[in-house]
Amino acid sequence: DVKVTQSSRYLVKRTGEKVFLECVQDMDHENMFWYRQDPGLGLRLIYFSYDVKMKEKGDIPEGYSVSREKKERFSLILESASTNQTSMYLCASSGPPWGNTEAFFGQGTRLTVV
Amino acid sequence: EDKVVQSPLSLVVHEGDTVTLNCSYEVTNFRSLLWYKQEKKAPTFLFMLTSSGIEKKSGRLSSILDKKELFSILNITATQTGDSAVYLCAVYSGGGADGLTFGKGTHLIIQP
Repeated sequence: DVKVTQSSRYLVKRTGEKVFLECVQDMDHENMFWYRQDPGLGLRLIYFSYDVKMKEKGDIPEGYSVSREKKERFSLILESASTNQTSMYLCASSGPPWGNTEAFFGQGTRLTVV
Repeated sequence: EDKVVQSPLSLVVHEGDTVTLNCSYEVTNFRSLLWYKQEKKAPTFLFMLTSSGIEKKSGRLSSILDKKELFSILNITATQTGDSAVYLCAVYSGGGADGLTFGKGTHLIIQP
């Protein structure tokens, strides 16, 4: 079974804190994605990576950064958390070739910034 | 900017009805279109479509892609309450540098 694991299901952080969301996949996938999901806005792409140390901005990268030091791990970093970053965060991964394999999702991290 | 638009945004039907969900897209260098079902947790994969006119089918669900008119439909026949979910459409575009773009989803509610 393909598994995409996000380190936390629920997180509560204070405004201004640095927050790390971790995602690990066990299928040797090249591509990994971070989305946030908000009511009425759907899934919006924050960043994605198609190789180790490679990253591309998605539609809403502001306030976020990412790290991909190892193929199986893709971290999302909130440099200074703000209340408008309260959301559900979903990580996904997919294998090659690009566009021809489904993306598998983690269970999500519900982040609340207070 | 890539765009994926789903309609309707929400839909309420009775058990046994047939529903059709729509997904239109505007992307550069289309690769494939995917449908997912999401029920209060991670989206689960339904279909991937890459070629026009070829229907994909799984039980009561089916989907087809029209690459000329840039849309896809997802059909669910003989709906059941367990079909209640948000259905997401997503498109892979580009050569790896454009991401996987999702629509906002269709919230489907099946009433007994």
